[in-house]
Parts: sequence; structure tokens; C-alpha cells
Amino acid sequence: GENVEQHPSTLSVQEGDSAVIKCTYSDSASNYFPWYKQELGKRPQLIIDIRSNVGEKKDQRIAVTLNKTAKHFSLHITETQPEDSAVYFCAASRANFGNEKLTFGTGTRLTIIP
Amino acid sequence: DTAVSQTPKYLVTQMGNDKSIKCEQNLGHDTMYWYKQDSKKFLKIMFSYNNKELIINETVPNRFSPKSPDKAHLNLHINSLELGDSAVYFCASSQGLGLAHYEQYFGPGTRLTVT
Repeated sequence: GENVEQHPSTLSVQEGDSAVIKCTYSDSASNYFPWYKQELGKRPQLIIDIRSNVGEKKDQRIAVTLNKTAKHFSLHITETQPEDSAVYFCAASRANFGNEKLTFGTGTRLTIIP
Repeated sequence: DTAVSQTPKYLVTQMGNDKSIKCEQNLGHDTMYWYKQDSKKFLKIMFSYNNKELIINETVPNRFSPKSPDKAHLNLHINSLELGDSAVYFCASSQGLGLAHYEQYFGPGTRLTVT
């Protein structure tokens, strides 16, 4: 089955700086890669996703890059703000309208230092 | 106007007891899920249902039995609770199968503590 590794497990950056979180996956057939943000005591929420037919996607201050050959994808947050502090999860899936499931990484606790 | 709701929010119980967690979504979605998030924040799927039909059973012990009386509800019953069952359980729903096309919306979670 799919295995997703995520690094780092914790990350602290100064407000205004950039943050990068990296994930690797094992199943070369995986083709859908979402990122979720979970604030303390709250539910996970989708913030951005990417499909295997594109290499990069951007939404305001967040972007995701995908390297299919190396089987890794990354989340980039620029101009970080205190409200970006949360746990971020990457995930991977074979999205084929079958018995699909998301396999999550182990999470990265991001702390923005004011 | 809560999209995905779960009850109870907190559940404290003793080993060996049987308990249920309820989930309801008012989004008109066809697909619902149960996830377990352990103390290290690791999030793992347990079950998924589509139109009341079981799609995924992720090798969960048979002490866990999901029940979907209708498309809007997916309840989780747990028999003979063990210490290792302590976790936060999240329900989620999506418009249909096809993760790349339909976003999953998570409920607020149920924190289960087994003593």
C-alpha cells in the first residue's frame, strides 16, 4: 500500500519568512495530493491540492510543487502570518473513482514567531 | 447550519464498555468516512461508505462496526473498548467517490478517552 513520509515534524519560522514542508510517497500510481491544515483543537481543512498532471499550483501565499519522478511534493507558504500556525498534513491517493482512500503523512507542526 | 456534525464531542469511558459515536451531514453528500487520529496526530482512515454501502474497511478490528441508516448518517459503534482506542475520531463526507474531484469535509471530531 501507499506510504507517505513528511518532514519536518516541527517547524518554526519568523513572521514574514517562508515555510516549506516536504512529503514523499511510495506508490507511483498515486495521482492526487491534497494538503490539510488543522488548527489546535479543530478539524482538518483542505487548503490546496495538486493532481499528477501538473507540476505546480499556487493560491495566493501558498503553493504546492510535485516531482513525479522523485515521488515527492512540497508545500510552500510565503509571507507567513501568525494565523498560519497549525499542523499541516500532506496526503496521497490513487483517485480513480474506485475504493480510493487518502494516506496521510505524519504532520508538521508549524509555529510562526511574531 | 453545521455541515458535518458529530456527537458527542467528548467521551470518557472505562475499558470493556460499548459506546457509539454519531455523525450527520446536511450537505447532501453520498460518501462518508471515519478517521482515527491518535495521540501523535497521525490521521488514518478506518471506513468509507457510499450511498450506505461499505466501500473501505481498513483492517479495523471487528470491535468497530460502522452503520449507515441513510446517506446522511454514519455512526460508529465500538465494543469492548480498549486503552488503545483512545483517540480523536473524525467523521468526513464528500459529494461522491473520486477524491480528486470531491473535497472531503471533516466533522469537529470526538475525543474518546478509555480509562
